[in-house]
Amino acid sequence: EPEVTQTPSHQVTQMGQEVILRCVPISNHLYFYWYRQILGQKVEFLVSFYNNEISEKSEIFDDQFSVERPDGSNFTLKIRSTKLEDSAMYFCASSPQGGNSPLHFGNGTRLTVT
Amino acid sequence: RKEVEQDPGPFNVPEGATVAFNCTYSNSASQSFFWYRQDCRKEPKLLMSVYSSGNEDGRFTAQLNRASQYISLLIRDSKLSDSATYLCVVNMRSLGGGADGLTFGKGTHLIIQP
Repeated sequence: EPEVTQTPSHQVTQMGQEVILRCVPISNHLYFYWYRQILGQKVEFLVSFYNNEISEKSEIFDDQFSVERPDGSNFTLKIRSTKLEDSAMYFCASSPQGGNSPLHFGNGTRLTVT
Repeated sequence: RKEVEQDPGPFNVPEGATVAFNCTYSNSASQSFFWYRQDCRKEPKLLMSVYSSGNEDGRFTAQLNRASQYISLLIRDSKLSDSATYLCVVNMRSLGGGADGLTFGKGTHLIIQP
């Protein structure tokens, strides 16, 4: 069964540094997403991406964040000037259609900001 | 305010028993509903979509009550492997478009005891 893959599985960075989280969505999917989950809290939507542009973003997704699809397979989340409170699991997801389609999640990147 | 509320539990249930839990949602115009399962420090995995007429998948039955704005999940003949957190997910967008409408509940923690 095709999977969404994410790298790295764990990223440790110092406060103020930039990190790039990488994802390879399922190949025939058209919609891509980033979610995050702070330890012990709920899964929160960050951003959705379709047709090479952001389609929706939450209030969490401020100027510190950006996404990119640099080629036909990768989908990245860049976090600039990381803060302690950015420590969380970051999940990439994809779906073949938007809207009512369920999402297929990658296994996540655990980001630790020290 | 978009809200999906769940009883966090934990629900401690003996193996073989039947367990049910509910989830309430705030947007009466919500169009799509899902139950996801999340194991500790893992990604959410789709358990089942929830259809208006209710649906069953093996030991799992999902129901939707639009009038009272809740969905339910019933697990029969529970197995040790059913131990997990069950996430209620609702597309809050009235027209079913866009992933930012996918709002996650905080989850109900289920522990199946031998």
